[in-house]
Amino acid sequence: EPEVTQTPSHQVTQMGQEVILRCVPISNHLYFYWYRQILGQKVEFLVSFYNNEISEKSEIFDDQFSVERPDGSNFTLKIRSTKLEDSAMYFCASSGPSGSPFTYEQYFGPGTRLTVT
Amino acid sequence: AQSVAQPEDQVNVAEGNPLTVKCTYSVSGNPYLFWYVQYPNRGLQFLLKYITGDNLVKGSYGFEAEFNKSQTSFHLKKPSALVSDSALYFCAVRDSGNDMRFGAGTRLTVKP
Repeated sequence: EPEVTQTPSHQVTQMGQEVILRCVPISNHLYFYWYRQILGQKVEFLVSFYNNEISEKSEIFDDQFSVERPDGSNFTLKIRSTKLEDSAMYFCASSGPSGSPFTYEQYFGPGTRLTVT
Repeated sequence: AQSVAQPEDQVNVAEGNPLTVKCTYSVSGNPYLFWYVQYPNRGLQFLLKYITGDNLVKGSYGFEAEFNKSQTSFHLKKPSALVSDSALYFCAVRDSGNDMRFGAGTRLTVKP
């Protein structure tokens, strides 16, 4: 069964450094998402991406964050200057081969644990 | 904007007993409702969804959920709980927007 993959599984970085989290969505999906989860608590929406542009973003997704689909398979989340409070589990998700994205369930990757020291 | 509430942080049931994990929602348009499960150190796994049609939806691992429009609820149920069902359960909602809003999660513990 196809699945979403994420690398690395754990990233440790110093405050102020840039990090790039990588995701490979399910190959025929067209809608891509990033979420974060702090300490096994609430899952928070960050951004959705479709047709090579951001379709929606939350208030968390400020100028320090950016997303990119550099090629036909990868989907990345960049944090330009990490802060201590960015420490969280970051999940990538993908959905929908076509049509309305609202009715499709999202398939989540295993997550990248980001630790900012 | 849409939102979802899971009023119970923790649900404890004995193996073999029925279980219910509660969820209520708020949306401005038609709700699209989802349940996900998260096992320790894992990503979220899709269980079931309500889009339209029959109010009772069946999903993976014997779970089902009932959409109740008048009570704006979408409670997750299973007739007979297993120890292996112990996990964190998230209810989520979308309306016409592209983002999905998750509840705070309910930790289900099934004791032998």
